[in-house]
Amino acid sequence: ILNVEQSPQSLHVQEGDSTNFTCSFPSSNFYALHWYRWETAKSPEALFVMTLNGDEKKKGRISATLNTKEGYSYLYIKGSQPEDSATYLCALDSNYQLIWGAGTKLIIKP
Amino acid sequence: DAEITQSPRHKITETGRQVTLACHQTWNHNNMFWYRQDLGHGLRLIHYSYGVQDTNKGEVSDGYSVSRSNTEDLPLTLESAASSQTSVYFCASSDGGHNEQFFGPGTRLTVL
Repeated sequence: ILNVEQSPQSLHVQEGDSTNFTCSFPSSNFYALHWYRWETAKSPEALFVMTLNGDEKKKGRISATLNTKEGYSYLYIKGSQPEDSATYLCALDSNYQLIWGAGTKLIIKP
Repeated sequence: DAEITQSPRHKITETGRQVTLACHQTWNHNNMFWYRQDLGHGLRLIHYSYGVQDTNKGEVSDGYSVSRSNTEDLPLTLESAASSQTSVYFCASSDGGHNEQFFGPGTRLTVL
């Protein structure tokens, strides 16, 4: 069974600070890497789908990079705001099914 | 606007009863998925479908079944509910390829 690891499990960040967290996956089973944002009491929403080694995607203050050869992706948030508080999930697309990490819970302290 | 809905949103049932959770999407997506989400675990795939009449088992399919008689609906049935199936269930759909999945609001199921 493929394993997708996310670290850290949780993270407290001061408002205004920048932060990043990691998703690790077995590089040999790679089709695409997804990042989702999951706010409390809501459903997961897609942030990025990344397929190319070295790919970098950006949406506002959030960006992600991908290294398929070594099997990791970083998610960066610049200048954290209270509305960034959520759980960030990554998922490995292995043959059109998503294998999910357990998430990084981000809490922004005002 | 296209959407994906789940019903009921909350359900309490007793051990041994059959329960069906509904999922309906108006995206016209071919691919539909059922996940369960439990503390300490990521989303775990129960069953999935790539089109009408197609169903496949996921990582944690024991005790669950699905059917796909049309594009819009993928109902999830618990044949004989067990307390271990107390969880939050999410339905999702995608238009194929390696594209993003769109999630329903979830169903919280409690089996007593």
